[in-house]
Amino acid sequence: DQQVKQNSPSLSVQEGRISILNCDYTNSMFDYFLWYKKYPAEGPTFLISISSIKDKNEDGRFTVFLNKSAKHLSLHIVPSQPGDSAVYFCAASGSVGNTGGFKTIFGAGTRLFVKA
Amino acid sequence: DTAVSQTPKYLVTQMGNDKSIKCEQNLGHDTMYWYKQDSKKFLKIMFSYNNKELIINETVPNRFSPKSPDKAHLNLHINSLELGDSAVYFCASSQPLGTEAFFGQGTRLTVV
Repeated sequence: DQQVKQNSPSLSVQEGRISILNCDYTNSMFDYFLWYKKYPAEGPTFLISISSIKDKNEDGRFTVFLNKSAKHLSLHIVPSQPGDSAVYFCAASGSVGNTGGFKTIFGAGTRLFVKA
Repeated sequence: DTAVSQTPKYLVTQMGNDKSIKCEQNLGHDTMYWYKQDSKKFLKIMFSYNNKELIINETVPNRFSPKSPDKAHLNLHINSLELGDSAVYFCASSQPLGTEAFFGQGTRLTVV
């Protein structure tokens, strides 16, 4: 039962263009959403987050959009750079455990290739 | 100065052995986690500790036992290792629970 889905396993983008990574979730109890970036042989590193009370959060080249009614969020990277090539994980936090416990659930990740 | 460090980075061991992975964070966070990344690359929460107290215990075999001697450490002990335990295990910490987490570099466990 995947509560957080990233349906695109990979995405290829030309340097300088926009990268759009998508994420869908099923549980309306999630109230905090995060994006992580992961390079090979390293742990994930936090990139940007958004609270459910907002619909947009921007940090430099990275913007996260949240559409609560559609249970959808997206990460925009513009302009994309070759150093952005990595796996991007979407994560959602909330009281969604079987006993109401607060937890963070990750999507399967999307591998982004930025071509020079 | 590493924020979350876990050791060892690689661990190759035989089926049936018992092994431990250590994790330490110097961020002063109250919450620490263990995640497992399986062969399909899913990152799944295993355990979560807050102030040395277990608060999340997912459906994990009881061969896996976390131990938190203090707020800065969360070690993972695995008994009677099985082939299916082969994965990358990540330790992480956050403050507070559910917010942006800092991850260690991972421990690649291979059971042969």
